[in-house]
Formats: sequence, structure tokens, C-alpha cells
Amino acid sequence: GDSVTQMEGPVTLSEEAFLTINCTYTATGYPSLFWYVQYPGEGLQLLLKATKADDKGSNKGFEATYRKETTSFHLEKGSVQVSDSAVYFCALSNKRGGADGLTFGKGTHLIIQP
Amino acid sequence: NAGVTQTPKFQVLKTGQSMTLQCAQDMNHEYMSWYRQDPGMGLRLIHYSVGAGITDQGEVPNGYNVSRSTTEDFPLRLLSAAPSQTSVYFCASRRGAGYEQYFGPGTRLTVT
Repeated sequence: GDSVTQMEGPVTLSEEAFLTINCTYTATGYPSLFWYVQYPGEGLQLLLKATKADDKGSNKGFEATYRKETTSFHLEKGSVQVSDSAVYFCALSNKRGGADGLTFGKGTHLIIQP
Repeated sequence: NAGVTQTPKFQVLKTGQSMTLQCAQDMNHEYMSWYRQDPGMGLRLIHYSVGAGITDQGEVPNGYNVSRSTTEDFPLRLLSAAPSQTSVYFCASRRGAGYEQYFGPGTRLTVT
């Protein structure tokens, strides 16, 4: 079945550091890929998405590129802020009838220190 | 639009009690799902629905029931609460397969 693997952390960085959170997936067909963010005490929010190979999703300074050849969707940000501290989930969605078809990684806890 | 709403926000139950977690969405989404989130386990799918009158089991369905009589509502019932059901529960909806998921704010449940 489909699966998503991501570094679990916690990942601790200083403010203004460069961020990479790795995400790789296993799936049949051509899934859509997502990054969700969960701030403390809140539900998950969509951060960015990509629906086909070589697409780049971007939002709030975060970027991720859909790499089919390496089955990866790594999240990057050039200069992190304390307010970026949160848990980040990589996910994929397959267009299949019947099953829910949405698979999440276990989440990466990011801590940004001032 | 209110999006996905969940009630209650917090709940404490005694072992053996039953209760219903409410979930509603006003986006006319066909797909709705219930997840539980536990430390180190990520999000695990409990039950889901692909339309009114249609439900199916996810990864961890035991101890939970659902029904979907309308497009808007998708309640989750705990039949006889157990301490292992202490968790944060999220309801979510989306337009269909392949689309992004919208999450509610969560219900934090403690079973003593």
C-alpha cells in the first residue's frame, strides 16, 4: 500500500537557519503530495501542495518540489523564524474510488530557537 | 464559511461511558474522515465516508461507530470508553479523492 516516510525529529534550529525536512513516499500511480502544518493546540492546516511531477508548491516562504524520480517531496525554507515552530506532516493522496486514499507521515516536530 | 467544526473541544469520560463527538462541515464536501493523533504515532484513520449513507473502516476502527445521514454531519460514537481511547480526535473533510483535506480544531478526550 501507499506510505510516507519523514524524519521525526525533533529538529532544532536557530532563527534564520536554512530548513530541510525530508519526505519520501511509496505509491502506485500518480499521487498528489501535500505538506500540512500543526501549530500547538490546533488542527492541521494545508501548507502547500503539488499535483504532478516537477511541480513546486510554495507558501509563506516554504517550498517543496515533487520529484518522481526520487519519490521525494522535501520541505525547504531559506530563513526560519520562531513562529515556524510547529509539527509538519507530509502526506499523499491517490485518486482511487472507494478508499480514503490519504496517507500521512508521522510528523516532524520543528523547534526554532531565537 | 465556518469550515469544519467539532464539539466538544475537551471531554473527560470514565471507563465504560459512551459519548458522541460531533463534526460538521459547510463546504459541501463528499469525503469526511475521523483521525486520532497520539504521540509518536502520527495521524491514524478511524473511519471515513465518501458520501451520505456510505461509511467504511480505517486503520483503527475498533471501539468506534460512525454514521453519515447527511452530507454535512459525521458524528463519531464511542460505545464503551477505554483508557486506550485517550487521544486527540480530528475530523476532516475534502471535496474528493486527490484533493486536500480540511481539518477541524480537534477534540481532546481523556478516559479515566
